[in-house]
Amino acid sequence: DGGITQSPKYLFRKEGQNVTLSCEQNLNHDAMYWYRQDPGQGLRLIYYSQIVNDFQKGDIAEGYSVSREKKESFPLTVTSAQKNPTAFYLCASSPDRAVYNEQFFGPGTRLTVL
Amino acid sequence: AQSVTQLDSQVPVFEEAPVELRCNYSSSVSVYLFWYVQYPNQGLQLLLKYLSGSTLVESINGFEAEFNKSQTSFHLRKPSVHISDTAEYFCAVSPNYGGSQGNLIFGKGTKLSVKP
Repeated sequence: DGGITQSPKYLFRKEGQNVTLSCEQNLNHDAMYWYRQDPGQGLRLIYYSQIVNDFQKGDIAEGYSVSREKKESFPLTVTSAQKNPTAFYLCASSPDRAVYNEQFFGPGTRLTVL
Repeated sequence: AQSVTQLDSQVPVFEEAPVELRCNYSSSVSVYLFWYVQYPNQGLQLLLKYLSGSTLVESINGFEAEFNKSQTSFHLRKPSVHISDTAEYFCAVSPNYGGSQGNLIFGKGTKLSVKP
């Protein structure tokens, strides 16, 4: 089955630790995205990538980092510099960044900082 | 700057009643419009989208949305809801700057709660 997988589903982190969230897609999509979802705030774009070895900051990139070494993988690292990292994180992909394309979403990772 | 406003954060309705989830947008350029649905603890799924042509678009599960350019709205409607429609619904716009590439801008979501 084609789709997007995110792991782990739940993640707990102590303050001061970096943590990496996994996102893999087998849809052969060029573009991938990371969003943060907080209750009542909708989705906010953290980073996006339109091709391997290229990525751009979104609206709330501070405290996060990404890499895009393979077309199918777009991991997100939440660093200790992120002041309020507890949230639901969603990864998405699309064939490319054309404005008419829909985005396909993974099931999400819920990160809790203890 | 572009923005999306979903006027209701929560909408409770009884089963088999009609429902309308409101979405208004602000944009200095033309836009493409999307509605996504999110079931509890899951990712988002595309419900329907407007790209061009008929201003009324429909989904396979009975939802419809109408693009109203003069009112900059894209309200989502269903004439009779089911318990299984309980979810959070997100309106999103994709501004068309003419360069053909861009990112989605999401509203804050509307939680639809269908009661028996």
